[in-house]
Amino acid sequence: AIWMTQSPSLLSASTGDRVTISCRMSQGISSYLAWYQQKPGKAPELLIYAASTLQSGVPSRFSGSGSGTDFTLTISCLQSEDFATYYCQQYYSFPYTFGQGTKLEIK
Amino acid sequence: QVQLVQSGAEVKKPGASVKVSCKASGYTFTSYDINWVRQATGQGLEWMGWMNPNSGNTGYAQKFQGRVTMTRNTSISTAYMELSSLRSEDTAVYYCARAHYGDLFLDYWGQGTLVTVSS
Repeated sequence: AIWMTQSPSLLSASTGDRVTISCRMSQGISSYLAWYQQKPGKAPELLIYAASTLQSGVPSRFSGSGSGTDFTLTISCLQSEDFATYYCQQYYSFPYTFGQGTKLEIK
Repeated sequence: QVQLVQSGAEVKKPGASVKVSCKASGYTFTSYDINWVRQATGQGLEWMGWMNPNSGNTGYAQKFQGRVTMTRNTSISTAYMELSSLRSEDTAVYYCARAHYGDLFLDYWGQGTLVTVSS
């Protein structure tokens, strides 16, 4: 199985800030990585797939980068609705594991 | 529009089984894999397995092998996840999610079903 390390687990920021979340794999996964956003009491929603492709309808302040073992989710100018928990997921090989999650909270 | 609608909350005793349903609409059910993911309260997402609704083929995470069964009824576009020998640690919200065609990221999710295991 592929091990994933997502960091930080908690991120405090203010509206308008630029933030980055990291996801590191125990082995290379090419670009088979997705990012999801989850708000309390709701199902996760797809933000980015193939490491850097924005899902339809997702604001352009979200971006993803990386390939191989190191990946990053960047939110360029935080809005109030962005405070949530974010997860990465690899879909390169079975089982299709998730990162531990990053809770983005208001500073 | 694509929708996945799951069955309602369940309360089960330890040792029992639970079967959660996931009804798909807005797309061709047999063309996209269905995955199941669970989330214990305050915890992260845990991938459980996948099912191909066309063939019925499945793949389960090792942790759930022997306890989970994923099935479908194509006539009503519904997928099912049954988990047996329930224990308190299985208390969680269970989600079904559609895997994007040709790739395996999850582009649509059900609303979740809370399963509580308590004596």
